[in-house]
Amino acid sequence: DAGVIQSPRHEVTEMGQEVTLRCKPISGHDYLFWYRQTMMRGLELLIYFNNNVPIDDSGMPEDRFSAKMPNASFSTLKIQPSEPRDSAVYFCASSLSSDASVGQETQYFGPGTRLLVL
Amino acid sequence: LAKTTQPISMDSYEGQEVNITCSHNNIATNDYITWYQQFPSQGPRFIIQGYKTKVTNEVASLFIPADRKSSTLSLPRVSLSDTAVYYCLVGALLGGANNLFFGTGTRLTVIP
Repeated sequence: DAGVIQSPRHEVTEMGQEVTLRCKPISGHDYLFWYRQTMMRGLELLIYFNNNVPIDDSGMPEDRFSAKMPNASFSTLKIQPSEPRDSAVYFCASSLSSDASVGQETQYFGPGTRLLVL
Repeated sequence: LAKTTQPISMDSYEGQEVNITCSHNNIATNDYITWYQQFPSQGPRFIIQGYKTKVTNEVASLFIPADRKSSTLSLPRVSLSDTAVYYCLVGALLGGANNLFFGTGTRLTVIP
């Protein structure tokens, strides 16, 4: 398996522009997570999906951020308009479903997208 | 919210055992404790997971006391390739997105 695939790996854009980050989870995984990583705040969970349905987006910082998962093999995270403070590494991760009473399953992370907003 | 506290950094010589402790005073009944390893320019990678007592796999051991308010990741005989950031994650999907908290991790540097 190729693992979780993210694109682009690097993105440089100007403030106010729309940014779209893409993720292909591991085939068969039914949970998909979007994270943001910065030096100051570490790794933060933004939103997660189960079977393509957004379950909790309470980690999304603002309305400028949106995420979709149109099918089991593709998800996008969009920032519109982008701001310099959005500069970070964005990770996508996926996992198999688990018995909810047991706890979280192992998450498999992609290589990340390094975003720089000027 | 099961937030975690870890040392910011640690140094160790090659061949020594390294113990990294994570505090999670507000851990909930359903929460599992998971440790991840992250190398530069890569995503975090699963190391080990536990709920209570001790768990051991081929790369590490995880010690969890009875009150579960802390946990210790033990790496036996570290090598230079173990230099990375280690995250303690406490949470469960039952609680929603804000119940999964990675924090800033512990930067381990292995010295020759």
